[in-house]
Amino acid sequence: GAGVSQSPSNKVTEKGKDVELRCDPISGHTALYWYRQSLGQGLEFLIYFQGNSAPDKSGLPSDRFSAERTGGSVSTLTIQRTQQEDSAVYLCASSPIPGGDIQYFGAGTRLSVL
Amino acid sequence: DAKTTQPPSMDCAEGRAANLPCNHSTISGNEYVYWYRQIHSQGPQYIIHGLKNNETNEMASLIITEDRKSSTLILPHATLRDTAVYYCIVRAASNTGKLIFGQGTTLQVKP
Repeated sequence: GAGVSQSPSNKVTEKGKDVELRCDPISGHTALYWYRQSLGQGLEFLIYFQGNSAPDKSGLPSDRFSAERTGGSVSTLTIQRTQQEDSAVYLCASSPIPGGDIQYFGAGTRLSVL
Repeated sequence: DAKTTQPPSMDCAEGRAANLPCNHSTISGNEYVYWYRQIHSQGPQYIIHGLKNNETNEMASLIITEDRKSSTLILPHATLRDTAVYYCIVRAASNTGKLIFGQGTTLQVKP
């Protein structure tokens, strides 16, 4: 079956521009996660959705970062006024149960801010 | 969540067993041990998890010591496609399920 799909796979933007990253989770998965992987920083948690609500946003690095999820399915991560330090691979994962520790990851979106 | 310690890198010959250690000496009684791996340019992939008993699935075996302070992930017959970063994560069940990844072990399988 289809896995977690993320788009675009690569995004190059100029500093100061806004970007939107999309995640299509596995059908029926109620939990959705965003992570970020920077060179030398490892994988960092950003936000967790259960359905359309986000009970844990503790990993969002600044108010330039926001995310939403609609219809209990697709999620969008938005970064406003991008900075060079936002360059990273943004990974989305989904899980079939709330707070599930077995998560299925997409291939990620590689964001480069010039 | 308990802290884990893994060697930064390991080599393994193709066809041999790869044994990846993880130290989690501060693990609590309700914390599970999870293993994920990340092949280059892909997202992490769940491998296996356990609480205190040894576990085996089609990908690997997980051996947890009796005192639960350490564990070993075993890939019985490593192939070149098993070259990846392997992450050991210790955590209790939670409402959010967020995973906290350390630096992991880079396993290089050599022909």
